Amino acid sequence: DAMVIQNPRYQVTQFGKPVTLSCSQTLNHNVMYWYQQKSSQAPKLLFHYYDKDFNNEADTPDNFQSRRPNTSFCFLDIRSPGLGDAAMYLCATSTIGGDIQYFGAGTRLSVL
Amino acid sequence: QKEVEQNSGPLSVPEGAIASLNCTYSDRGSQSFFWYRQYSGKSPELIMFIYSNGDKEDGRFTAQLNKASQYVSLLIRDSQPSDSATYLCAVNMGRGSTLGRLYFGRGTQLTVWP
Repeated sequence: DAMVIQNPRYQVTQFGKPVTLSCSQTLNHNVMYWYQQKSSQAPKLLFHYYDKDFNNEADTPDNFQSRRPNTSFCFLDIRSPGLGDAAMYLCATSTIGGDIQYFGAGTRLSVL
Repeated sequence: QKEVEQNSGPLSVPEGAIASLNCTYSDRGSQSFFWYRQYSGKSPELIMFIYSNGDKEDGRFTAQLNKASQYVSLLIRDSQPSDSATYLCAVNMGRGSTLGRLYFGRGTQLTVWP
């Protein structure tokens, strides 16, 4: 089945230790999104890619970076995680011009 | 400021009842509207989308849209305990290069008790 896969499902890191979360998709969608969702809050868009074009949200901290080496894969890098970065990170995909987004299962990040 | 507001709940209904979830949005030009269900600790799952004014039915779920009032709702008929989850309203407020950009509400937590 075509799908969006996030790895790992759970990630524990130390304060200030860089961490990378990954997302892959078999849907062949052009657009990939990264959201941060904290408890009882709405998913917050961090950035998204239209193909290779990177679109950063104005309020996304510089601590968050992303890479998309090819259509199938997208990575979220947190350079120096703080306690406030503990959250669920969601990857989603869509077609260009399509507005139905397909979510992966998410990665739960804990920062110690 | 583009915003999506939902009644925060929690909403509690007995099994078999109708659950009504409401959402308002700020961008009058929005064209597409979504309801996602999110179980605790899981990712959002799309359950309904609607583009035109009026009602759209899918099984026990009915989405209702009123663009003039900037209001969208979700009705769940014959509610089941398995419907207990947080329901997220999302609105596409993107334009041009940000087409497809969804704005989410904070969600309404629904509990269906046996």
